[in-house]
Amino acid sequence: QAVLTQPPSVSGAPGHRVTISCTGSRSNIGAGYDVHWYQQFPGTAPKLLIYGNNNRPSGVPGRFSGSKSGTSASLAITGLRPEDEAHYYCQSYDRRLSGVIFGGGTKLTVL
Amino acid sequence: HVQLVQSGADVKKPGASVKVSCKASEYTFTGYYIYWVRQAPGQGLEWVGRINPDSGYTDYAEKFQGRVTMTRDTSISTVYMELRRLRSDDTAVYYCARDPDYKATAYNWFDPWGQGTLVTVSS
Repeated sequence: QAVLTQPPSVSGAPGHRVTISCTGSRSNIGAGYDVHWYQQFPGTAPKLLIYGNNNRPSGVPGRFSGSKSGTSASLAITGLRPEDEAHYYCQSYDRRLSGVIFGGGTKLTVL
Repeated sequence: HVQLVQSGADVKKPGASVKVSCKASEYTFTGYYIYWVRQAPGQGLEWVGRINPDSGYTDYAEKFQGRVTMTRDTSISTVYMELRRLRSDDTAVYYCARDPDYKATAYNWFDPWGQGTLVTVSS
């Protein structure tokens, strides 16, 4: 069972906005550790989408944004496109476990 | 551009060991931690451990301690992950990925990732 909790699935119509939550605890996100997000298409390696809570690597569209508050973080995707359909994972660090932790992943369906 | 290229798929019997390689290129190999992450079929991502290619220092997830060893060969810019006493639930795609910070002192994000290596454990 993943340490960070994500909804198994979310969906939205093209052009709409969706958010994916990532809920942790006081030993990880709540302790101030950064949250990072990855996008993964079937059969391919994850790709960095957001780092350091709200930073986009070059090449990632501005439609993707991240935020963090308290023991949770969120990924927002605006102007949904069919090509956004993928799995999304959050990642952080847990001081009790002394290691990297991931969310269980969220499958985004673009209706 | 920075690239990580992994060894090919492997099939092992329960109880055996597997060694996966990850060859780095287009950057200073000894300057950046390499992490290993695995993904069982249809499942999420799971951190296995990391290695400092400069010092050889390793740091493993508690779940894998005693069964995993990460090493490196600086002469060919390659890191290795060996997993022993394989079980059927070790069947997964194993990824290597780089920490983006030079001489990182904290756990960061991963970028880029290798293409993944499928390890199948079956009798």
